[in-house]
Amino acid sequence: GENVEQHPSTLSVQEGDSAVIKCTYSDSASNYFPWYKQELGKRPQLIIDIRSNVGEKKDQRIAVTLNKTAKHFSLHITETQPEDSAVYFCAAKGLTGGGNKLTFGTGTQLKVEL
Amino acid sequence: DVKVTQSSRYLVKRTGEKVFLECVQDMDHENMFWYRQDPGLGLRLIYFSYDVKMKEKGDIPEGYSVSREKKERFSLILESASTNQTSMYLCASTLGGGWGPSYEQYFGPGTRLTVT
Repeated sequence: GENVEQHPSTLSVQEGDSAVIKCTYSDSASNYFPWYKQELGKRPQLIIDIRSNVGEKKDQRIAVTLNKTAKHFSLHITETQPEDSAVYFCAAKGLTGGGNKLTFGTGTQLKVEL
Repeated sequence: DVKVTQSSRYLVKRTGEKVFLECVQDMDHENMFWYRQDPGLGLRLIYFSYDVKMKEKGDIPEGYSVSREKKERFSLILESASTNQTSMYLCASTLGGGWGPSYEQYFGPGTRLTVT
C-alpha cells in the first residue's frame, strides 16, 4: 500500500518568513495530494490540493509543488502569520482501495513566532 | 455546509468494556472513514466504508469493527477496550466519485477516548 513520509515534524519560523514542509510517497500511481491544517483543539481542514497532472498550484500565500518523478510534494507558506501556527498533514490518494482512501503523513507542527 | 458530528467529545471506559463511537454526516456522502490520531503518528486509517453495509479494513483494523446500516451513520466498535486504544478518534466523510471536491474529507470534531 501507499506510504507517505513527512518532514520536518516541527518547524519554527519568525513571522513574515516562509515555511516549507516536504512529503514523499511510495505509490507511483497516486494521483491526488491534499494538505490539511489542524489548529489546536479543532478538526483537520483541507487548505489546498493538487492533482498528478499539475506541477504547481497556488492560493494566495500558500502553494503546493509536485515532482512526480521524484515522488515528492511540498507545501510552501509565504509571509507567515501567527494564525498559520497549526499542525499540517500531507496525504496521497492511490488507485488501489475504493472510497477515496487517503494515506496521511505524520504531521508537521508549525509555530510562527512574533 | 457539511456537518459531521460524533456522539461524544470525551469518553472514559474501563478495560474490557465494549465501546461504541458514532459518526453522522448530513450531506449524503458516499464514503465514511474512521481514523485514530496519536502524537507523532499522524492520522491512521482504521476502517472505511464506500457504501451502506460495505466496509474495508484500513491500516490498523485490529481490535476494531465497524457498522454502516444507514448511509449517514458509521459506527466504530471496540469489542473489548484496551489501554492501548486510548486515543483521539476522528470520523470523516467524502462525497465520492469524480475529481476534486468529491475527494475532500470533512472531519468530525473527534472523540477523546481514555481506557483505564
